[in-house]
Parts: sequence; C-alpha cells; structure tokens
Amino acid sequence: NAGVMQNPRHLVRRRGQEARLRCSPMKGHSHVYWYRQLPEEGLKFMVYLQKENIIDESGMPKERFSAEFPKEGPSILRIQQVVRGDSAAYFCASSPETGVVVKTQYFGPGTRLLVL
Amino acid sequence: AQKITQTQPGMFVQEKEAVTLDCTYDTSDQSYGLFWYKQPSSGEMIFLIYQGSYDEQNATEGRYSLNFQKARKSANLVISASQLGDSAMYFCAMRLKAAGNKLTFGGGTRVLVKP
Repeated sequence: NAGVMQNPRHLVRRRGQEARLRCSPMKGHSHVYWYRQLPEEGLKFMVYLQKENIIDESGMPKERFSAEFPKEGPSILRIQQVVRGDSAAYFCASSPETGVVVKTQYFGPGTRLLVL
Repeated sequence: AQKITQTQPGMFVQEKEAVTLDCTYDTSDQSYGLFWYKQPSSGEMIFLIYQGSYDEQNATEGRYSLNFQKARKSANLVISASQLGDSAMYFCAMRLKAAGNKLTFGGGTRVLVKP
C-alpha cells in the first residue's frame, strides 16, 4: 500500500522560473492538502483540494501560486516566477472522505525547493 | 481562529529516560483532533499519535502517550524510555471539524537524546 508520493524530492530553480510540484495521494484518498515549511518553522497550510475542486485556499499567496487536482493524475502545486523567499519544503498530505472521523493525515516526503 | 503553541524550542533528554513535550491550543470549537508528528533530520513527517476532543481516555501508541487535559487546553506528548532515534523535531497540530481536515501546526520542539 504505497503512501503519499511527491516528486521531485529536490528542485532547484533560478529566480523568475516556474516550479511544478506533484503529489499522488494514498490509494483510496480523495482529499489532498498542501503545506509549506520555511526553515526552522512549523508547517503552514496552503490549500485543500478534492478531485477537480479547490475547497479551501485560504493559505495560498494571492499571486504566483496555484494548485489543481485533476480527475486523472496527481495534484500539482505551481509557483510562477519564483523568488528566493519561495525556498522551502512543500509537503502534501492526503486523507479519505471528510465525512468520516479522520484520525490521521499521512504526509508525503516533501519537495525541497531552492531558488537561486 | 485556532492556534497551537509549543513553548519549548529545544530540549535534551538522557537515553532511557522519559520526556514530556508541551503543547497548548486555543479554539472555541468543541469538535477537534490533536496530532503529534515527528520530523527527523531526513525531513519526512511521521504521524505519531492522535487524540479526539471527545475521547475520554488518553491516547497511547507504544512508547508515545498523550496527556490530554481538555480544561487546560493542553495535549502534551510523553515519550517513555527515550532512544537515540528519537532525536528529531516534534510538532503538535490541531484539526477543527468545522474547518475540514486541514491541520494547524505549532512551531515545534527539537529533542536531542544523549547517550
């Protein structure tokens, strides 16, 4: 039973380039969450998606950041025109339907983005 | 808005001893869940233990136990018989039922186990 998959694990971009981070949830999970962790800090919620729907994007920066979770394929977190302050670890987590009590939320290994 | 506070930025513990990591939370919601995660130097987030707001018993998972004091809004993690592999960052997190399943994290506590 594969866990949450993220790729790439490490990504280096120059200022102004685009970064695309991918997340495949656990089998049977239809809810995906993206979090960002700046160095020496806790994780901060960014966005919550279900298949083809953005449920809560209250933690997403207003510009340059977007996320999708298409009917087929992984969830994508896209950062356009990256700046050095975007350097962070980006984690994806998944969970089953929210109608049930969710006692765990499994995280992927994260993508470490470094902007030069 | 919900808030999680971990007041201990770092601590040392002797191998084989127990250690308590503090976590307090602030919410007016009645239905919520509390989580602890471990983040070793390799960076992944490892789920340790969960406590629901309506659970009457304190959660336990092997060497991990959660000291849940609802009236004081605290959810301290106790690690018994510390091992060198327990050296890591530990994060407390909260989920509000009313806010979907997104987690709000504390700032973390770094634990270093001494041999």
